[in-house]
Amino acid sequence: QVQLQESGPGLVKPSETLSLTCTVSGGSISNYYWSWIRQPPGKGLEWIGYIYYNGATNYNPSLKSRVTISLDGSKNQFSLRLNSVTAADTAVYYCARDIYFQHWGQGTLITVSS
Amino acid sequence: DIQMTQSPSSLSASVGDRVTITCRASQGISNYLAWFQQKPGKAPKSLIYAASSLQSGVPSKFSASGSGTDFTLTISSLQPEDFATYYCQQYFSYPLTFGGGTKVNIK
Repeated sequence: QVQLQESGPGLVKPSETLSLTCTVSGGSISNYYWSWIRQPPGKGLEWIGYIYYNGATNYNPSLKSRVTISLDGSKNQFSLRLNSVTAADTAVYYCARDIYFQHWGQGTLITVSS
Repeated sequence: DIQMTQSPSSLSASVGDRVTITCRASQGISNYLAWFQQKPGKAPKSLIYAASSLQSGVPSKFSASGSGTDFTLTISSLQPEDFATYYCQQYFSYPLTFGGGTKVNIK
């Protein structure tokens, strides 16, 4: 059974860059879409973007200017970078597989605060 | 962007009740629709993909239907473990978008 696990710092200062990594186990990163999704406290879900196993990316236009998603197939990992963060970026960040999100990581809370 | 509108936003139901949640897309999305269940403090869990296909391991009390713009998720007999928030999501076009959620409460 494929499993995903997010990792990264829980606290990021305003104007800095949020960096997260998702490690995939129990299956290959090949032949799938790998997404990042976020959920502000008490609110709904927002898709951030995906990377395909061949490196192709697609980002939500609402975040596109600040987002980079990359992939390291040798480590079975993919990563999110979100720059110039503000308090509005405080959320639980999830990684997920497929464009209909069959598998999810457990999520990690990222707080933007000085 | 395709807007996904769920109704109701919340409902109260009793154990054993049959519950139906509706999701409407702002434009046709064929059957490119998924449903998720989320419990407090947990990641969403995939229930349905392709509008009506049950994910492996999901109990058959969950069923879903629809095509185009109107979709439904039905829980045939509500059990205590089913009290949660349910989300729909379209993957017909980008950006991928979710409904606002339907919280199913205990009556």
